[in-house]
Amino acid sequence: GAGVSQTPSNKVTEKGKYVELRCDPISGHTALYWYRQSLGQGPEFLIYFQGTGAADDSGLPNDRFFAVRPEGSVSTLKIQRTERGDSAVYLCASSPGRFTDTQYFGPGTRLTVL
Amino acid sequence: AQRVTQPEKLLSVFKGAPVELKCNYSYSGSPELFWYVQYSRQRLQLLLRHISRESIKGFTADLNKGETSFHLKKPFAQEEDSAMYYCALIQGAQKLVFGQGTRLTINP
Repeated sequence: GAGVSQTPSNKVTEKGKYVELRCDPISGHTALYWYRQSLGQGPEFLIYFQGTGAADDSGLPNDRFFAVRPEGSVSTLKIQRTERGDSAVYLCASSPGRFTDTQYFGPGTRLTVL
Repeated sequence: AQRVTQPEKLLSVFKGAPVELKCNYSYSGSPELFWYVQYSRQRLQLLLRHISRESIKGFTADLNKGETSFHLKKPFAQEEDSAMYYCALIQGAQKLVFGQGTRLTINP
């Protein structure tokens, strides 16, 4: 079946602009995660949804970052007033939702802030 | 704070030689540990997890609580094993904490 998909695959924007990154999880997966991977680093947790609600948003770096999942499926990560330090690969993952289920990752969105 | 350390950023071995990728962790409680792999131009995928005690693609990893380690091993490396490897643990409900990764290169 189809895996996790993310759009766009690449996004180039200017400092100060607003961006939205989209994630389509595997059908039926109730848990959805966002991670950020900076160059030369492992992925870092941002936020975790169980259904429509954010169960853990402790990884969001500041209030410029926000994520939604209004119908419990597709999720959008929103970044306001982008900064050059936001440049990274943003990864989305989903899982069936049970504790310690395997997380399945999408291909990522490479964000470049000029 | 929970942390995963992979001391080697790069590791290069010859085909047929044994491979060991090191992973150490700090965690209060009983950790659940994983190895994820990313092959060239592919997405991050689970290689193995310690609770399943499986051997995947010839790789094994043993949790050593005394040394707080979860090293990944394979007795005979193959060229297709060249990839980026990440060790990770689960924190809280489902948050993965990753190490920095080790790029493994298998030379022919």
